[in-house]
Amino acid sequence: SQKIEQNSEALNIQEGKTATLTCNYTNYSPAYLQWYRQDPGRGPVFLLLIRENEKEKRKERLKVTFDTTLKQSLFHITASQPADSATYLCALGGEGRRALTFGSGTRLQVQP
Amino acid sequence: NAGVTQTPKFQVLKTGQSMTLQCAQDMNHNSMYWYRQDPGMGLRLIYYSASEGTTDKGEVPNGYNVSRLNKREFSLRLESAAPSQTSVYFCASSEAPVGYGYTFGSGTRLTVV
Repeated sequence: SQKIEQNSEALNIQEGKTATLTCNYTNYSPAYLQWYRQDPGRGPVFLLLIRENEKEKRKERLKVTFDTTLKQSLFHITASQPADSATYLCALGGEGRRALTFGSGTRLQVQP
Repeated sequence: NAGVTQTPKFQVLKTGQSMTLQCAQDMNHNSMYWYRQDPGMGLRLIYYSASEGTTDKGEVPNGYNVSRLNKREFSLRLESAAPSQTSVYFCASSEAPVGYGYTFGSGTRLTVV
């Protein structure tokens, strides 16, 4: 069955460092991959979308890579700030017209 | 610009009671979705509507029904609530299921006792 894996353990880093979160998937051939941010008690917020033919995408301090051979996406936040502390979800889509399938998310804690 | 509006925000039901969760979007999106989120399990798709007039089952549709009332509104009904349906429910919308980011509502926290 399709499976999306994100590190369930929280990632703790110091302010100013680069945070790197991982999303691995199996039994899936997505046409694109998305990343979302979720704060406690709130709905997810869309951050970035990367397509299968794109290796890398950037938006301000965010960078996403997508390796369809390794079946992996890496999500980087450079110059991290305490305000970046949240849970980050990856989501896969594109098979047929089905809706997105989400991973369970990784909590990021940026220490001042 | 309200985005996606969900009502109610909180609800407590007794086992066997029924209720409808309401969702409306003002972005003229074609597609709408209902997900539930449980600790450690991430977001799981219940039902979605790729376009007005169509609905499809997701990963966990049992115990739920949906209605795409018009382009703006997509409701989720629990006919006979069970404790296993205790969860946080999120409605979302997008231009299409494929290739676009989703806009989520703020969620409905439902407890079934």
